[in-house]
Amino acid sequence: GQSLEQPSEVTAVEGAIVQINCTYQTSGFYGLSWYQQHDGGAPTFLSYNALDGLEETGRFSSFLSRSDSYGYLLLQELQMKDSASYFCAVTAQAGTALIFGKGTTLSVSS
Amino acid sequence: SQTIHQWPATLVQPVGSPLSLECTVEGTSNPNLYWYRQAAGRGLQLLFYSVGIGQISSEVPQNLSASRPQDRQFILSSKKLLLSDSGFYLCAWSVPNSPLHFGNGTRLTVT
Repeated sequence: GQSLEQPSEVTAVEGAIVQINCTYQTSGFYGLSWYQQHDGGAPTFLSYNALDGLEETGRFSSFLSRSDSYGYLLLQELQMKDSASYFCAVTAQAGTALIFGKGTTLSVSS
Repeated sequence: SQTIHQWPATLVQPVGSPLSLECTVEGTSNPNLYWYRQAAGRGLQLLFYSVGIGQISSEVPQNLSASRPQDRQFILSSKKLLLSDSGFYLCAWSVPNSPLHFGNGTRLTVT
């Protein structure tokens, strides 16, 4: 079977740094994506890693280790508006749909 | 620029009634199209995806079906809804080497 594991909940305070981990077990692997979803809204794309290493986009960074089947999303200088659910997703085979994890709910408090 | 339209935004239907949700994409040609469902507080479950007109792949056997009558139109249907069909239905599109772009979703409540 194919599975992605990520923590169900994470809490942090404004200004802090939080890391959301994702481990995957899939039949193939092309890349790892991260999506953000605010309550009641649609998921929006945050980042994509196809190769090992760190990708940085503003306050958000994403890391991938293909040998460990592991990645993480790093959120820095947390703001209240970062409170949302974060999903990791794997492209297992070219031309197929993303496989999503169950999501991590991030709660940022003041 | 590309846009995706999905409607209706909310829908309340009785058990046993039919369903038709429509999704259209503008500004791109031959996109891959997807239907996902999200139960309350849960992850995204892939229902169907399509790589071209008339080509539908089903991921989960159930009483739902999908059709792609035109290049940029994707329809999710059911002949008889079940209570368990309640959820947040999301249409999405992508092209090779690009992220997935989601519509605003339809919140379906089956009563």
